Amino acid sequence: DTAVSQTPKYLVTQMGNDKSIKCEQNLGHDTMYWYKQDSKKFLKIMFSYNNKELIINETVPNRFSPKSPDKAHLNLHINSLELGDSAVYFCASSQGEWGSGYTFGSGTRLTVV
Amino acid sequence: AQSVTQLGSHVSVSEGALVLLRCNYSSSVPPYLFWYVQYPNQGLQLLLKYTSAATLVKGINGFEAEFKKSETSFHLTKPSAHMSDAAEYFCAVRLSTGNQFYFGTGTSLTVIP
Repeated sequence: DTAVSQTPKYLVTQMGNDKSIKCEQNLGHDTMYWYKQDSKKFLKIMFSYNNKELIINETVPNRFSPKSPDKAHLNLHINSLELGDSAVYFCASSQGEWGSGYTFGSGTRLTVV
Repeated sequence: AQSVTQLGSHVSVSEGALVLLRCNYSSSVPPYLFWYVQYPNQGLQLLLKYTSAATLVKGINGFEAEFKKSETSFHLTKPSAHMSDAAEYFCAVRLSTGNQFYFGTGTSLTVIP
């Protein structure tokens, strides 16, 4: 069983479209995250959810919105896609203990054309 | 402000040679420190973590790292590089007062036959 699973793995879409990326974790973790990795491999946190509460929201355009129907899911919705949104998006989860690391999904490669 | 600095965005070593990937952090309090590895087209995997127990931490695949408070460093080492070690390596810090991780910019390791 995959611990953190993301779908789709690849997503190619045109500018202006709206798309969603799904993430599910079966680890029982209480916090989930979305990270964006750019072409230079730089990782930037976008959002995190803890018990359905948004606790981190960095300077991300409001075209991006996280939606968490329950503790095991954190989906990422993107409206009006732009060329600059092309990147790899990673979902991750962690348990609340401070020494815990993240468990990452395998990533979704988004290409906007 | 808290940050992580990885010295050297690219490191090349010969197969069988010592691997040394550098990581320095800045934090007013001792943080929790992590090393992650990312193989091509995959998500990040936890290599090892320091959580204020032993300062020398052993991880998977023969890697280890030593926490040196006086140098604010957490360098990653492996005595003998293997071809399969070629990947991107990320150092990360997590403070004891929050859920957020701060990732370094990554070091790409190349192993030369």
